[in-house]
Amino acid sequence: KQEVTQIPAALSVPEGENLVLNCSFTDSAIYNLQWFRQDPGKGLTSLLLIQSSQREQTSGRLNASLDKSSGRSTLYIAASQPGDSATYLCAARTSFGAGTTVTVRA
Amino acid sequence: DTAVSQTPKYLVTQMGNDKSIKCEQNLGHDTMYWYKQDSKKFLKIMFSYNNKELIINETVPNRFSPKSPDKAHLNLHINSLELGDSAVYFCASSQATGRGLETQYFGPGTRLLVL
Repeated sequence: KQEVTQIPAALSVPEGENLVLNCSFTDSAIYNLQWFRQDPGKGLTSLLLIQSSQREQTSGRLNASLDKSSGRSTLYIAASQPGDSATYLCAARTSFGAGTTVTVRA
Repeated sequence: DTAVSQTPKYLVTQMGNDKSIKCEQNLGHDTMYWYKQDSKKFLKIMFSYNNKELIINETVPNRFSPKSPDKAHLNLHINSLELGDSAVYFCASSQATGRGLETQYFGPGTRLLVL
């Protein structure tokens, strides 16, 4: 059964710093990997989806990489802003990590 | 023009009651999901339907019964509610492509509190 882990559980950075969020999964036979953002009391918003055959995806300041052999995905957020403060979750199809809660200090 | 909607948004009820949560998507997707997010914010898949057929049925008490009257709707009925059922329940949908392009779109969640 696929297990997804996200470390660290929380992260606080000053505005302008680049963010690096880690996601690891146990089953390398991954179908896809999706990164989401969740604001307090809200639903999940899809950020990026990486197909099994892809190595990375980019959208604006966001870049996500996928390394199936090592069971890892990384989400990079460039030049962080206070508005980036949220919980970021990764999901290997329907298996979710517990999330990393990010605080960007102005 | 909400993509995935859920009703109600909040539900406060007594132990032992039966309640239903409704989900509708207007994205034309053929796959729908129910997830439970507990107090520790951990999100777990409960059920998934593709074209009205159950395709994922995780280890969930049989007090929980999903129903999909059509591709655009997936409802969740919960019998004999227990304190441990208190959580946020999220509905999601995606379009099956067979190529790993199934982006999941989530509803706003239903916050269930059992007293």
